[in-house]
Amino acid sequence: GENVEQHPSTLSVQEGDSAVIKCTYSDSASNYFPWYKQELGKRPQLIIDIRSNVGEKKDQRIAVTLNKTAKHFSLHITETQPEDSAVYFCAAPLSGYSTLTFGKGTMLLVSP
Amino acid sequence: DVKVTQSSRYLVKRTGEKVFLECVQDMDHENMFWYRQDPGLGLRLIYFSYDVKMKEKGDIPEGYSVSREKKERFSLILESASTNQTSMYLCASSTGLVGANVLTFGAGSRLTVL
Repeated sequence: GENVEQHPSTLSVQEGDSAVIKCTYSDSASNYFPWYKQELGKRPQLIIDIRSNVGEKKDQRIAVTLNKTAKHFSLHITETQPEDSAVYFCAAPLSGYSTLTFGKGTMLLVSP
Repeated sequence: DVKVTQSSRYLVKRTGEKVFLECVQDMDHENMFWYRQDPGLGLRLIYFSYDVKMKEKGDIPEGYSVSREKKERFSLILESASTNQTSMYLCASSTGLVGANVLTFGAGSRLTVL
């Protein structure tokens, strides 16, 4: 099945710095790559996703990049703020459009 | 604005008890999922359903079963709870192709098995 590796497991930055979280996947047929944010005590929520026909997608301070050749995708957060502190999960489906497999998560801590 | 509702936020059960976790969505979604969340292990799929009365095993189905008698309701059943099933359980739903669309999660049910 799909193997999704996520790094780092924890990331501490100062407010205003950038943060990058990276994921690799094993199935070259995967074509949908979402990122979910889970604040402490809350449910995971989608923050951005990308499909395999584009290489980059931006939404204000967050962006996702996709390298299908290398089979990795990354989440970029610029000008981090304390409210960005959360656990972030990447995910990818098994081949085609089967269910999502999640990475193990990255705990991001943004210090004021 | 609640769209995926899990009936119990916290449950404490004893080893060997039968446990029901209920999930209801009001978005008319075809797909429903049960995930288990453990620290350091991320979200692992237990079972999912893409239609009424249909169910498919996920990555860790052992010790669990599910029921989907109505489109809006998806139940997770632990036939005989064990201590290693102590965890946070998250229900989710989506529309369209199962691995290609946004998941809407419930608030979670934290189960402790003593």
